[in-house]
Amino acid sequence: EAQVTQNPRYLITVTGKKLTVTCSQNMNHEYMSWYRQDPGLGLRQIYYSMNVEVTDKGDVPEGYKVSRKEKRNFPLILESPSPNQTSLYFCASSSLRETSQPQHFGDGTRLSIL
Amino acid sequence: GQNIDQPTEMTATEGAIVQINCTYQTSGFNGLFWYQQHAGEAPTFLSYNVLDGLEEKGRFSSFLSRSKGYSYLLLKELQMKDSASYLCAVIDSNYQLIWGAGTKLIIKP
Repeated sequence: EAQVTQNPRYLITVTGKKLTVTCSQNMNHEYMSWYRQDPGLGLRQIYYSMNVEVTDKGDVPEGYKVSRKEKRNFPLILESPSPNQTSLYFCASSSLRETSQPQHFGDGTRLSIL
Repeated sequence: GQNIDQPTEMTATEGAIVQINCTYQTSGFNGLFWYQQHAGEAPTFLSYNVLDGLEEKGRFSSFLSRSKGYSYLLLKELQMKDSASYLCAVIDSNYQLIWGAGTKLIIKP
């Protein structure tokens, strides 16, 4: 089954404690992306990657890091989380060769930073 | 800058028809998507338009006018389960997906 898998689904942690949210896709997609979603603001892109070892900033990259060492994985790293990073996070992937195909989303990670 | 506008919230009655509009100003255009998102869940794909005209898919239809920078999503025979947010997204000239903030649709019995 084609899917994007994010872990964890829920996390409550404290300010300053490094955390990683993993994302993996099994569709051999070139493009992967991280979004955060806050009430009334819609989806805002944090980082994206168009291929292995190629990453670019989205609209709200401050406080986040990513890596793309393998095609299937695109982890999101918060080196020193702060309360303003409390949000709902989505990973998504899509094919760059077939632009008519939609982005596939993971189930989301609800992150609370105390 | 790039911009996508959708109404923030709409209310409709079960069994009725509702039209959700989306206008966009983007650097280039390579297609437009509509997604449905229930609260706390991931967005799910509804439709894709790249040419002008109407695409029909069951109770849902999507229309595009590239010259006007305008699309709408038409939902017929509304059901309570259609209560959700509807997101409009445009692929720009760099093949980046630009997202609208979404329209929250409330269905009343």
